[in-house]
This record gives sequence, C-alpha cells and structure tokens, in this order.
Amino acid sequence: DQQVKQNSPSLSVQEGRISILNCDYTNSMFDYFLWYKKYPAEGPTFLISISSIKDKNEDGRFTVFLNKSAKHLSLHIVPSQPGDSAVYFCAASYSGGGADGLTFGKGTHLIIQP
Amino acid sequence: KAGVTQTPRYLIKTRGQQVTLSCSPISGHRSVSWYQQTPGQGLQFLFEYFSETQRNKGNFPGRFSGRQFSNSRSEMNVSTLELGDSALYLCASKPFGLVRGGYTFGSGTRLTVV
Repeated sequence: DQQVKQNSPSLSVQEGRISILNCDYTNSMFDYFLWYKKYPAEGPTFLISISSIKDKNEDGRFTVFLNKSAKHLSLHIVPSQPGDSAVYFCAASYSGGGADGLTFGKGTHLIIQP
Repeated sequence: KAGVTQTPRYLIKTRGQQVTLSCSPISGHRSVSWYQQTPGQGLQFLFEYFSETQRNKGNFPGRFSGRQFSNSRSEMNVSTLELGDSALYLCASKPFGLVRGGYTFGSGTRLTVV
C-alpha cells in the first residue's frame, strides 16, 4: 500500500513557465512534508518542507501548498529554469513513534524545455 | 564542510553472497538513515540510527541489518543477496536536535546482484 503517491511519472514544461508537481498521501498521521530534487548519480537534495499547521511555504522560486482535507500537496516552481530538470520526490513523516523515517513517493521526472 | 560519504560507489556481487556498505555522515550529525531506491518502488526507508541505537526500521526482511559506531559512521549489511536487492542504497544524516526533515543524502552505493 503506497502511502505517498506521485501520479505523474514525468512532466514537461517550457522554460520560464510554471511547473506544478503534485503529491497525494493516504496516511492522515503524516504531519510534515518535504520535497527533494535528485539528479542522476547523485543523492536527493532537500528543497522545501511544510508542516501540517501551515497551508503554504515559500522559498524563492519554490512554493509548496498543502491541502490537508484533500490530503494533497503541490510544489510550484516559478519561473522554471533548465537546471530544474531533475526527478522530484515528495516525502512525508509523522511524529508518532519518535523516529523520523521518511515515506517517499516514486518521483516525478521534470523536464524543462528551452 | 564534507558531505555524506558513501563507499563504495559501485558494487557487483553474486547471488547468495553478503555485502557491507559504509556511510560517513556530515561531521556533527548523529542521526543516520538508510534508504533503498529501485525503479519500481522508489525510495524506501530501511532503518535509522541515533547514538548507536536503531530507532526505527522499515519493512524489509531480516537479511538487511545495520549498525552505527561511536563516531556516528554507519554500515548496512545485506546477507544472502537476491537479484531483487539490486538497487541504489542511499544514506542520509541530520544533526542532533533537528527533529524533522533536513536530511542530507550521500550519492549512494549502486549495488548490482548477478
């Protein structure tokens, strides 16, 4: 049972436009969400996170939106740049149990076209 | 400062053998987590260590084990290798006191089982 789902394996966006990556989760215990970016042959790099007490968090060109009632979050990248081409992973965690293992989605491959 | 270092980068093993992977966290980071990345399953949490103690374990068979040393370096071991164990194994570390997110990942060890 996949608790974090990224239903779009790939997404192609023109340079300068907005990229919107989506993520759905099923476990209502999740209370902290993160986005990671991964280039081939490298480990994931932390991008941005959001706590369940918020519905929006912004960092430069990156904004994450959280809709708790829909169990949905999205990452907006504006404007999209060629260097943004990578695989983006959505991840979730919860405070129960005292450990911080992250549950990841399977990733969305973002391709920025010139 | 140096990032998370994983050795070796690439490894080829025969089915039935065992393998040990090593991870050196960022200096000062005391929490180390391990993840398995495969094309079909994405990133899956293996286990997390803090102060030489395993704090949490993902849904993997007992053939997967790990440990953490007093200097926070960690190793994971896979015994009786199966073809399905072929994957990218990622280690991540975070500093003490940073409870949520903020993991820094290494570049991974690519294990191929033949």
